[in-house]
Amino acid sequence: NAGVTQTPKFRILKIGQSMTLQCTQDMNHNYMYWYRQDPGMGLKLIYYSVGAGITDKGEVPNGYNVSRSTTEDFPLRLELAAPSQTSVYFCASSHGQGGTNEKLFFGSGTQLSVL
Amino acid sequence: GQSLEQPSEVTAVEGAIVQINCTYQTSGFYGLSWYQQHDGGAPTFLSYNGLDGLEETGRFSSFLSRSDSYGYLLLQELQMKDSASYFCAVRSLDSNYQLIWGAGTKLIIKP
Repeated sequence: NAGVTQTPKFRILKIGQSMTLQCTQDMNHNYMYWYRQDPGMGLKLIYYSVGAGITDKGEVPNGYNVSRSTTEDFPLRLELAAPSQTSVYFCASSHGQGGTNEKLFFGSGTQLSVL
Repeated sequence: GQSLEQPSEVTAVEGAIVQINCTYQTSGFYGLSWYQQHDGGAPTFLSYNGLDGLEETGRFSSFLSRSDSYGYLLLQELQMKDSASYFCAVRSLDSNYQLIWGAGTKLIIKP
């Protein structure tokens, strides 16, 4: 019963490097999300997906890309990493939105530092 | 624009009751959620209010008043393990129905 699994847990990048954060869920959820959380702040939505093949921008999409080729996987790509992308990244999923579907399930997070 | 306001920090004593308030300003409101996050951990869902009134889940309750754009999380019989940050989050038309999160309230519990 894994839930939402994120890898890696920690990563240090140099400015200009690229990387992919992996996220997979085994709950057959339609909705998946990528958030970033800066110290002492709430979560900011980067991208989200309502199903395989469908993605949309959130509040802070610049510098990131996503894809959703399967229901289970929702990788986040960082191109040309910048110090402003230093943050904790959380992947989450939900069955739907609103009412009894409102509950988001989160992965354990990725601590990313760009130096 | 849209905004959520919650206190940055609340201190309470073990065994006591504490209330964490959340006020929001948004259009097309669709519901208020509460999440708990321990230091270094991931957020975990606590409760959801789509309609006015009180929702109770064990020691935790959440209240919503849509006319006042206000909600609160009530924690009873506080335990040391309740020391964490608590976030309110609103789903609204402003955010294309996606959750907008408050900055969080750090709950400090003293023995």
